[in-house]
Amino acid sequence: RKEVEQDPGPFNVPEGATVAFNCTYSNSASQSFFWYRQDCRKEPKLLMSVYSSGNEDGRFTAQLNRASQYISLLIRDSKLSDSATYLCVVNLRGNQFYFGTGTSLTVIP
Amino acid sequence: DTAVSQTPKYLVTQMGNDKSIKCEQNLGHDTMYWYKQDSKKFLKIMFSYNNKELIINETVPNRFSPKSPDKAHLNLHINSLELGDSAVYFCASTLGLTDTQYFGPGTRLTVL
Repeated sequence: RKEVEQDPGPFNVPEGATVAFNCTYSNSASQSFFWYRQDCRKEPKLLMSVYSSGNEDGRFTAQLNRASQYISLLIRDSKLSDSATYLCVVNLRGNQFYFGTGTSLTVIP
Repeated sequence: DTAVSQTPKYLVTQMGNDKSIKCEQNLGHDTMYWYKQDSKKFLKIMFSYNNKELIINETVPNRFSPKSPDKAHLNLHINSLELGDSAVYFCASTLGLTDTQYFGPGTRLTVL
């Protein structure tokens, strides 16, 4: 069983739409959680960390549900520049990071 | 000003050859990693070094040997390259053990 599971998509949404991505993790001992963004042929870059209380950064909102071992990312008012692959990342212990397979998003004009 | 750099960016080589990829970070981070991203875009950790000491060695063929001459460098040497080694290899670093990872631009390895 994979440590982190994501729906690969693709998600094709019009500009201005709201889109949500989900991710589940298998190990309840996981300590920290992140969403990364990866553009085509580029390296992954941190989008935001995910905190237990939930957190927001502009149009992006991340939620963590430890009981259900579930992480989500909500993007409001989608822009063309949001088109990318979104990676869910879980830190199990120490420096063991596990990446989901990524969810592909294309925002259409 | 590049935080994490890798060389080369592209590497095309024949099966059976030996090659190295270099990684350097100027962030003062203690921990460095090598990841492999295959054709299905799955990013999988290979190795992790903390202060020049090997911390994680996932199930990777022993043809792959990381070397960390100092805290700022983590190189990856690959012996007897195989077709299945073709992938993008990313180096990354973190300050602490659970912090944000900063990735290098990747090395696209193609084995012919």
